[in-house]
Amino acid sequence: DARVTQTPRDKVTEMGQEVTMRCQPILGHNTVFWYRQTMMQGLELLAYFRNRAPLDDSGMPKDRFSAEMPDATLATLKIQPSEPRDSAVYFCASGRTSGSDEQFFGPGTRLTVL
Amino acid sequence: GENVEQHPSTLSVQEGDSAVIKCTYSDSASNYFPWYKQELGKRPQLIIDIRSNVGEKKDQRIAVTLNKTAKHFSLHITETQPEDSAVYFCAASTDSGYSTLTFGKGTMLLVSP
Repeated sequence: DARVTQTPRDKVTEMGQEVTMRCQPILGHNTVFWYRQTMMQGLELLAYFRNRAPLDDSGMPKDRFSAEMPDATLATLKIQPSEPRDSAVYFCASGRTSGSDEQFFGPGTRLTVL
Repeated sequence: GENVEQHPSTLSVQEGDSAVIKCTYSDSASNYFPWYKQELGKRPQLIIDIRSNVGEKKDQRIAVTLNKTAKHFSLHITETQPEDSAVYFCAASTDSGYSTLTFGKGTMLLVSP
């Protein structure tokens, strides 16, 4: 049963430090999404890749966040420098064709910035 | 852009009762409406979806209805069980390769034995 994997599962860091989260999409999926989940805002889309090309990163704070897909098996989300307000659960999801198709979520990375 | 409103934010029912969660959307071009279930500490998972060419879809104890004119859609769970307790998210998107899902804020459903 293929699943999206994410590392690390939990991350505690000090304000100002760089944080890198990694995601391995399901083999054969060509869309990748990064979401941030908080109690107040729910699930917010940060970035959307299709065939490794970034299609939408309008939800991402550009000054400190960056998302890349170095290859089809790896997506990364980086925060530099991190701030306490970045504390949240970050989910990666992958899909087969487009945004209007089932998205398979990873287990999430719980980030705490002190 | 699309805006999805979801109500209620919390819902408590007794085991065996029905539960209904409602969502409204703003973009009349939206034509794909999935529902995701997220158990505590787990990942969201798709439980049912509907496209705008149908008005209702059923899968055992869950059903989704869509009213395109009024721009709202609902999730119905019958004969609720304690394992139905979770946060449920509705979402909407258009059928475009560039489109993404816009999620509602979620409904926490608690089913008491």
